[in-house]
Amino acid sequence: DAKTTQPTSMDCAEGRAANLPCNHSTISGNEYVYWYRQIHSQGPQYIIHGLKNNETNEMASLIITEDRKSSTLILPHATLRDTAVYYCIVFYRDDKIIFGKGTRLHILP
Amino acid sequence: EAEVAQSPRYKITEKSQAVAFWCDPISGHATLYWYRQILGQGPELLVQFQDESVVDDSQLPKDRFSAERLKGVDSTLKIQPAELGDSAMYLCASSLVPAPDTQYFGPGTRLTVL
Repeated sequence: DAKTTQPTSMDCAEGRAANLPCNHSTISGNEYVYWYRQIHSQGPQYIIHGLKNNETNEMASLIITEDRKSSTLILPHATLRDTAVYYCIVFYRDDKIIFGKGTRLHILP
Repeated sequence: EAEVAQSPRYKITEKSQAVAFWCDPISGHATLYWYRQILGQGPELLVQFQDESVVDDSQLPKDRFSAERLKGVDSTLKIQPAELGDSAMYLCASSLVPAPDTQYFGPGTRLTVL
């Protein structure tokens, strides 16, 4: 079973920041938080990952709470191309990735 | 940018027939994964290779599914005989080292069993 809980779907207006929450209350100290997304009919695409500190790259920002029990993926200026299913995953070293059902993000024009 | 290649992109077959999918990982990636994704769900790991060796095949239905990576480069996933419930997207991914490094996914093969 997936170790994370995500909302089934979310809407966001184009040009606004999309904030996707993820709950991982049972995360252990050495498990990373990874985010992937899957655009319709394509394979999943890596977005960002982190352990304790907040992270930012050219695609998104990852905010991890101090207790590490939850995180938020932020797409700063959502476009229609960001419409996808977003998966929050926790794992460590030799674990297998368990994707869960993810959040279906709809960007509204 | 290097990509994971998969073929065919689409496959329609009748139940009880044999099907095979091919994956060519990014050059130099020692770890290769096969996933199955049923419509509306996230990908589920079927088998993981490290070079030519199977690391994890605990979710692979071994009575009908087989996977090989003979030279530690490209890989083939076979189903024989196919069943209606095998209709799904089959995704291949590769990574330079096993998790937690990032995995790069191919476009997938959409299988429909009639």
